[in-house]
Amino acid sequence: EVQVVESGGGLAQPGRSLRLSCIASGFRFDDYAMHWVRQDPEKGLEWVAGINWNGGSKGYADSVKGRFTISRDNAKNSVFLHMNSLRAEDTALYYCVKDVGGDYVANYFNHWGQGTLVTVSS
Amino acid sequence: DIQMTQSPSTLSASVGDRVAITCRASHSISTWLAWYQQKPGKAPKLLIYKASTLETGVPSRFSGSGSGTEFTLTINSLQADDFATYYCQQYDNYWTFGQGTKVEI
Repeated sequence: EVQVVESGGGLAQPGRSLRLSCIASGFRFDDYAMHWVRQDPEKGLEWVAGINWNGGSKGYADSVKGRFTISRDNAKNSVFLHMNSLRAEDTALYYCVKDVGGDYVANYFNHWGQGTLVTVSS
Repeated sequence: DIQMTQSPSTLSASVGDRVAITCRASHSISTWLAWYQQKPGKAPKLLIYKASTLETGVPSRFSGSGSGTEFTLTINSLQADDFATYYCQQYDNYWTFGQGTKVEI
């Protein structure tokens, strides 16, 4: 059974940093691209960042470019989201999401974790 | 950026009804469209990809159609388990989602 489990969310002050982690199981992790998608009641679902199967290709939404970094460790079946210079508008539930393919190209998502909540507030 | 617009935002229906949700893209996306179902407190679940292909395990009362800029998700004979929020997603150019359609009793 495919499982994707996020951790690392919490309360952070504006301007500070957080690192989200995601550990996956039930599939050959290094065959697939992975993404982070966030959700809040105001803005709905927003793709944040994606990384291809070997970490050689990455992409970011304009809203986080230059502040967030996605990375992966295939030996540990893990993907990470390093979030710097956090803003109030980054407050959301962050999902770790499995792509159906390995390359960082247009594909859809077939497995989502349960999410980890990030709150940015002073 | 490709914008996705769903209608209606909320849809009131009864068990046994046939319902349809529309999703419009700001630019043509061919058939690079997926539909997801989300229940309260749960993650989105993939229902349909490539506009009309049913994901394995999804009941056949769900169907998708459309291409280019206009797409439809249809649920035939609505069941109690189908009351949820539905999102479309384009994956032609990066990824963007519609704002969601809540199907309520």
